[in-house]
Amino acid sequence: DIQMTQSPSTLSASVGDRVTITCRASQSISSWLAWYQQKPGKAPKLLIYKASSLESGVPSRFSGSGSGTEFTLTISSLQPDDFATYYCQQYNSYRITFGQGTRLEIK
Amino acid sequence: EVQLVESGGGLVKPGGSLRLSCAASGFTFSSYSMNWVRQAPGKGLEWVSSISSSSSYIYYADSVKGRFTISRDNAKNSLYLQMNSLRAEDTAVYYCAREGSGSHPPTGDWGQGTLVTVSS
Repeated sequence: DIQMTQSPSTLSASVGDRVTITCRASQSISSWLAWYQQKPGKAPKLLIYKASSLESGVPSRFSGSGSGTEFTLTISSLQPDDFATYYCQQYNSYRITFGQGTRLEIK
Repeated sequence: EVQLVESGGGLVKPGGSLRLSCAASGFTFSSYSMNWVRQAPGKGLEWVSSISSSSSYIYYADSVKGRFTISRDNAKNSLYLQMNSLRAEDTAVYYCAREGSGSHPPTGDWGQGTLVTVSS
């Protein structure tokens, strides 16, 4: 299976900050990468697909980039609603795999 | 609006069985592949199984292969997960998820989840 490694595991930031989360794949996945946001007790919500495409209805402060094995999720100016856990997911293989998650907390 | 509603979770003893259901609405169920994804308490997301629109292709994670069976009934707009020989490590919230269109991921839309607890 393709292993996905996110960093950092926890990120402390303030409202208005620009933050970046990194996801690394154990082998090339082209651009078949998605990013999800999850809040406690809720299902994950799709933010970004195919590495850099913004899902409909998602604020433009979220952006994704990368291809091959290195990917990033950037939030340009953190809002109070953005404090949550973020997961990357590869879907290059039918055996989809997720990163371990990055918890974004208020500093 | 896509709606996915899971049911069937609960408390079961190790070695027991449980059948999860996912009722779909708001889209043409028979046209989409479906997935089960689980999340153990306080842990990350783990893909469990997927099934193509006509049930021709079925895949399982190694952790559940031989114990879990995914199925669907397109006439009833429903997805199922039969879970046998349950273990403590199967304790998790189980989500059903619908394949996205085009270049969207296989888990574009999610249900709210159903909790399975395996404990004596």
